[in-house]
Amino acid sequence: QKEVEQDPGPLSVPEGAIVSLNCTYSNSAFQYFMWYRQYSRKGPELLMYTYSSGNKEDGRFTAQVDKSSKYISLFIRDSQPSDSATYLCAMSFNTNAGKSTFGDGTTLTVKP
Amino acid sequence: DGGITQSPKYLFRKEGQNVTLSCEQNLNHDAMYWYRQDPGQGLRLIYYSQIVNDFQKGDIAEGYSVSREKKESFPLTVTSAQKNPTAFYLCASTTQGTTEAFFGQGTRLTVV
Repeated sequence: QKEVEQDPGPLSVPEGAIVSLNCTYSNSAFQYFMWYRQYSRKGPELLMYTYSSGNKEDGRFTAQVDKSSKYISLFIRDSQPSDSATYLCAMSFNTNAGKSTFGDGTTLTVKP
Repeated sequence: DGGITQSPKYLFRKEGQNVTLSCEQNLNHDAMYWYRQDPGQGLRLIYYSQIVNDFQKGDIAEGYSVSREKKESFPLTVTSAQKNPTAFYLCASTTQGTTEAFFGQGTRLTVV
């Protein structure tokens, strides 16, 4: 069993929809939770990170961490065609971000 | 512009050949990483280096080698011992105490 499981997708939604992307994990020692966005044939870029449990909002994006359930989510409000990408969750024990454990990614398509 | 440059973008290798992928960063980051990404899968860590002249194996180091002679450079050699080298290779760097990994644009390696 993988340490980090991510909803596989693919996910296709109409423009303006609310999108929910989810990951579960098994190691309770993870403290930092990241979401990366990866456009086709490009490298990932950090979208948001959260330390421990709680919510964090940045514009149309909200990251949510529930450590008691070992469950994290990324919500995208008013989704746009430019949000079409693969979203990777990642988790680490400390601030050594390069040694994060990544989910397999969920590919999202937002249709105009 | 600061960032990570990977070259080449596309690389074709014949069976039995070694090839070297280049990764250069001008972010003054201490740590650098190599990942492999296969279709529908997350990032798997090949090697990482936290300081010059030192590097450690990641989760899937067999068939790969690296060097870190300069802070800015972390080349990856895919040797003929790597049985299934066709993949998308990503280089990343981090600075101490941060949760963000900065990625290059990747090199797509195909064995022909």
